[in-house]
Amino acid sequence: DAKTTQPNSMESNEEEPVHLPCNHSTISGTDYIHWYRQLPSQGPEYVIHGLTSNVNNRMASLAIAEDRKSSTLILHRATLRDAAVYYCIRGGHGQNFVFGPGTRLSVLP
Amino acid sequence: SQTIHQWPATLVQPVGSPLSLECTVEGTSNPNLYWYRQAAGRGLQLLFYSVGIGQISSEVPQNLSASRPQDRQFILSSKKLLLSDSGFYLCAWSVRVDQPQHFGDGTRLSIL
Repeated sequence: DAKTTQPNSMESNEEEPVHLPCNHSTISGTDYIHWYRQLPSQGPEYVIHGLTSNVNNRMASLAIAEDRKSSTLILHRATLRDAAVYYCIRGGHGQNFVFGPGTRLSVLP
Repeated sequence: SQTIHQWPATLVQPVGSPLSLECTVEGTSNPNLYWYRQAAGRGLQLLFYSVGIGQISSEVPQNLSASRPQDRQFILSSKKLLLSDSGFYLCAWSVRVDQPQHFGDGTRLSIL
């Protein structure tokens, strides 16, 4: 049970913003929301995580809904190198991560 | 800075042979350590995790085992490999169980 729901796939044009949605309607108050991405034949790479407030780092932004039942990973300008499978994970104290099938992002030149 | 090493990168083994995959972490103490498996085209499945030396928790019953003989060393083993053990094996570490995990480059295991 991945405990999160993501679209199977999305497409974006190069240099356009990408909004990757994730639903986690059963999230508890102490669960963090984590995002990872996995390029072909590589291990997953940490992207960003947050609890309640929106978060920004050099890779992406994470927008968390006020009720925390959903979140959106934002890539501000997609590049071809951003083509990957993106995983949204909720992780709480004492709970291990469950990686679901994720969203396969294709970036078109 | 912290680094994680996994080896070998690829491995081809016959059915029934033993297995030993090693993972080491540098630059941190008492990390949480994890072994995942990813079948072709599928998501990651957590196999084992460890919060300390000699402490191993198994998530999925199978013919694999894990050991943590040193603080920053995590080993995945099997006495007799099955065809179904083929896959991409990933080691990861984190500071705490709910904090970001950092993955190695993985071992692609093919069973013949």
